Amino acid sequence: EAGVTQSPTHLIKTRGQQATLRCSPISGHTSVYWYQQALGLGLQFLLWYDEGEERNRGNFPPRFSGRQFPNYSSELNVNALELEDSALYLCASSLIRDFSYNSPLHFGNGTRLTVT
Amino acid sequence: EDQVTQSPEALRLQEGESSSLNCSYTVSGLRGLFWYRQDPGKGPEFLFTLYSAGEEKEKERLKATLTKKESFLHITAPKPEDSATYLCAVQARGYAGGTSYGKLTFGQGTILTVHP
Repeated sequence: EAGVTQSPTHLIKTRGQQATLRCSPISGHTSVYWYQQALGLGLQFLLWYDEGEERNRGNFPPRFSGRQFPNYSSELNVNALELEDSALYLCASSLIRDFSYNSPLHFGNGTRLTVT
Repeated sequence: EDQVTQSPEALRLQEGESSSLNCSYTVSGLRGLFWYRQDPGKGPEFLFTLYSAGEEKEKERLKATLTKKESFLHITAPKPEDSATYLCAVQARGYAGGTSYGKLTFGQGTILTVHP
């Protein structure tokens, strides 16, 4: 069974540009979550999509946005990039909306975004 | 606000030297406590979920325990391949529209290095 896949693996952008990150969940998983892992800050919750709808978002500015497609894949967009947006962006998926013991979050290997 | 604190930040062990990692948490109603392992350049890999005080889970050389305020990850006779960052996260009892809904709050992690 293929795991969560993310693309691209690395992305280098200039301050002020836009970045688009993509995620394909595990087959059969309908919920997709985005986390930011910046150096020294740990994993911070960004966004959660389920059945095409945004269900919750973390404490991030509106320039962080995304969407979920009918095939449950997801896209994270970051507009007006700032230097502090440099981080590893992790996508995770779960089988059910209220993930639990029977369906924990499974993470991809992330997209390393560097803003210069 | 949900908070997770892990200690120590870094731990160096000799092969075979058992030890424990600590995860202290504050959450408004615990839905679940999760342990993940993260290798350099990879996404977190799910290890355990614990739900109630007194619960224990084991996997190979790892054993996780839970009290009302903290969780421990015990490592028995570790091997060099156990070297990784171990992450603890909590899921609060959330409701649709609430800030905790579908969200994991992570600690900063403990970097474990096991020397041969």
